[in-house]
Amino acid sequence: DVKVTQSSRYLVKRTGEKVFLECVQDMDHENMFWYRQDPGLGLRLIYFSYDVKMKEKGDIPEGYSVSREKKERFSLILESASTNQTSMYLCASSSSGTFTDTQYFGPGTRLTVL
Amino acid sequence: QKEVEQNSGPLSVPEGAIASLNCTYSDRGSQSFFWYRQYSGKSPELIMSIYSNGDKEDGRFTAQLNKASQYVSLLIRDSQPSDSATYLCAVSLGGTGGFKTIFGAGTRLFVKA
Repeated sequence: DVKVTQSSRYLVKRTGEKVFLECVQDMDHENMFWYRQDPGLGLRLIYFSYDVKMKEKGDIPEGYSVSREKKERFSLILESASTNQTSMYLCASSSSGTFTDTQYFGPGTRLTVL
Repeated sequence: QKEVEQNSGPLSVPEGAIASLNCTYSDRGSQSFFWYRQYSGKSPELIMSIYSNGDKEDGRFTAQLNKASQYVSLLIRDSQPSDSATYLCAVSLGGTGGFKTIFGAGTRLFVKA
């Protein structure tokens, strides 16, 4: 079974703090993704990576950065957290370089920025 | 802006009935189509994928794709209360879309016992 894990299920941070969200997958997947999910807006892609040290902007990259130093780990960084970044953050991975592959999701991190 | 549209619901059906969930997409170049189920407080999980026009059946689930109409649907036969969840339609872009998958906002399904 594919397993995608995220470092925290719930996180509360203050405005202006630097926030790290970690994601690890154990199936040697090439592709990894970070989404945020908000009511009525669905899943929106923040960043994705198709190889180690490679990253591509998604639809809403502003205020975020990512790091992929190892194949199994993809980190999302909020450089200076703001209240409008309060959301559910979902990490996903998929197995190959084609668009036909299923994405496997982690359990999510619910981030609240006060 | 490439879009995937779903009726947000909630769609309410009695136990044992057929639930019909619909999705339209805007990019004619879309190649792959997925239905994910998301229980409240949980992450999405794939239940069906479909890549060519027509029907694809898997147990109680049938996915239908009509690329000419840019329409994909999911039928759930013999609906059970455990099917109550939000169903996300997802479309992957080919060509220059690369690895991106666009998700709809989801349809909430409620199956009444």
